[in-house]
Amino acid sequence: QTVVTQEPSFSVSPGGTVTLTCGLTSGSVSTSYSPSWYQQTPGQAPRTLIYKTNTRSSGVPDRFSGSILGNKAALTITGAQADDESDYHCGLYLGSGIWVFGGGTKLTVL
Amino acid sequence: EVQLVESGGGLVQPGGSLRLSCAASGFGFSGPWMSWVRQAPGKGLEWVATIMSDGSGTQYVDSVKGRFTVSRDNPKNSLYLQMNSLRAEDTAMYYCARVATTSSFDYWGQGILVTVSS
Repeated sequence: QTVVTQEPSFSVSPGGTVTLTCGLTSGSVSTSYSPSWYQQTPGQAPRTLIYKTNTRSSGVPDRFSGSILGNKAALTITGAQADDESDYHCGLYLGSGIWVFGGGTKLTVL
Repeated sequence: EVQLVESGGGLVQPGGSLRLSCAASGFGFSGPWMSWVRQAPGKGLEWVATIMSDGSGTQYVDSVKGRFTVSRDNPKNSLYLQMNSLRAEDTAMYYCARVATTSSFDYWGQGILVTVSS
């Protein structure tokens, strides 16, 4: 069973930089999992931020970037703004139309 | 403009059934794979099911195999999720999502709530 790990919560100061990670309880996350990142505010549907590890979706500000750091996928927000306060979900593609998500990270900007 | 609109949710007793629908517009529906993703209250996202473009192939998360069936009607631009033998742990917001060629989800519906309770 593939289990994806994310930090339950994180805090960043306005204007600061934060890196959220997405790992596996067993093994490493690589580009072959096509990591994607989704932003979700309370009561709203998810919004796709990053796909294929590091490609920003249309309209996503360039302060959001994706990468592989060590054995994890990472989402970095540079110059955090108040409206970045959201839940961030990582998704990994296992192939054949199967995905697995992490538990999500609640980001606080204060 | 791509739009995905779910319907059919509600309150159902354990052991009951429900059929969710997702009406798609703004794109060639017969092209992309489509998925259902759910989110239990206060929890993260959980992929539930995927159906391929012509409906010839489907995939399910283990917890719903044998109970849920995903289907699509391409001429009607519609995606469905038939949910049988519902359990309390199926209580969640269910999202219809379009699968991008990039192995991610590029468009999401607004979600529909399913509550399984006696």
